[in-house]
Amino acid sequence: NAGVTQTPKFRVLKTGQSMTLLCAQDMNHEYMYWYRQDPGMGLRLIHYSVGEGTTAKGEVPDGYNVSRLKKQNFLLGLESAAPSQTSVYFCASIDSDRGRNYGYTFGSGTRLTVV
Amino acid sequence: QQPVQSPQAVILREGEDAVINCSSSKALYSVHWYRQKHGEAPVFLMILLKGGEQKGHEKISASFNEKKQQSSLYLTASQLSYSGTYFCGTEANYGQNFVFGPGTRLSVLP
Repeated sequence: NAGVTQTPKFRVLKTGQSMTLLCAQDMNHEYMYWYRQDPGMGLRLIHYSVGEGTTAKGEVPDGYNVSRLKKQNFLLGLESAAPSQTSVYFCASIDSDRGRNYGYTFGSGTRLTVV
Repeated sequence: QQPVQSPQAVILREGEDAVINCSSSKALYSVHWYRQKHGEAPVFLMILLKGGEQKGHEKISASFNEKKQQSSLYLTASQLSYSGTYFCGTEANYGQNFVFGPGTRLSVLP
């Protein structure tokens, strides 16, 4: 049972380059999320999905796009990377059960540096 | 709206107790607590639901005061392994508007 898997773990991009971060979960969770974490800023929501084929904007969506073509996968894309997107990115998922006793399960993170 | 956590940071000696508070200006459906060690992902500790009871996990427990929109995390007889940043997360309605707090950095010294 792998939980939530993120790839890659580290990446250095040049300004203007594009890349895609992949998140895969094997827990059959409906809800999936992309967060970024910057020093002193906590976790900020970029985009989220409440089911296959659906996506929605979070708190800081500008410069990012997402897709949820399969229930188990949630992709985060940067079309033209900027130094302000240097951050640690976390994917998370949660069970949609109303009576849930478990919170978010996070992936191990992707450390992205844009130079 | 982001919940407020206090204190921002706390330093303890092994065996001492600590309380971390989380408050919101909105009525809450649930409060989550997570711990993140340096360089690692946040790990779920517990969830408190509206109308639910106080939760506990070994020497870590939490309470939820619905009227005051506040939750407190209690760490008793702290161990070195408790060091990390503790985040609360609040949900105003089921499945909606979940927001993490800014975190409380806890350091436990020998």
